[in-house]
Amino acid sequence: DSGVTQTPKHLITATGQRVTLRCSPRSGDLSVYWYQQSLDQGLQFLIQYYNGEERAKGNILERFSAQQFPDLHSELNLSSLELGDSALYFCASRGGGGGVDEQFFGPGTRLTVL
Amino acid sequence: GESVGLHLPTLSVQEGDNSIINCAYSNSASDYFIWYKQESGKGPQFIIDIRSNMDKRQGQRVTVLLNKTVKHLSLQIAATQPGDSAVYFCAENGGYNKLIFGAGTRLAVHP
Repeated sequence: DSGVTQTPKHLITATGQRVTLRCSPRSGDLSVYWYQQSLDQGLQFLIQYYNGEERAKGNILERFSAQQFPDLHSELNLSSLELGDSALYFCASRGGGGGVDEQFFGPGTRLTVL
Repeated sequence: GESVGLHLPTLSVQEGDNSIINCAYSNSASDYFIWYKQESGKGPQFIIDIRSNMDKRQGQRVTVLLNKTVKHLSLQIAATQPGDSAVYFCAENGGYNKLIFGAGTRLAVHP
């Protein structure tokens, strides 16, 4: 158990809909990262938040957005869903120290768009 | 759980043998590399890391080798066990601590 929690574990929805994925980082971790894992694209970085502020962006679609709240949990919002958005979405957290440290991954949310 | 990356390259080894998983990275300026293990239905799990000022780092039953000249990483697992069966990813620091993952290799350990 990494200490990172994600809900829900599975999500099935229809094209055009909007969903929210939730992540709670490890206690004390200030950084939250979101990754998408699909069969054809592998694991891809989407976005990073640090203590409530956006720090880095990857190949995140404009239909997707995220935020980190004062209690440090984070939500990833996916809207106007398409079939190709079906994937595993992982959240990872990292401590607040400087430098590059290990990221701890949550168990993921499996999104299926029908 | 379901498998991710059904078309990943697969390395098949006998239990007790040593395994070597290779990875090529893209950015010669990357200064930090990590190996992750992903079991079916779970998130990636940290195995070992190495900074670019090192060529080799050893952990428990695992060794990572870094060859910066050819931008190549390898993960060696000694005395491979059935519990080592998983997909293994290398990752490099893509700046701002975001990780850039390789495509992954599936390790299958046979008794």
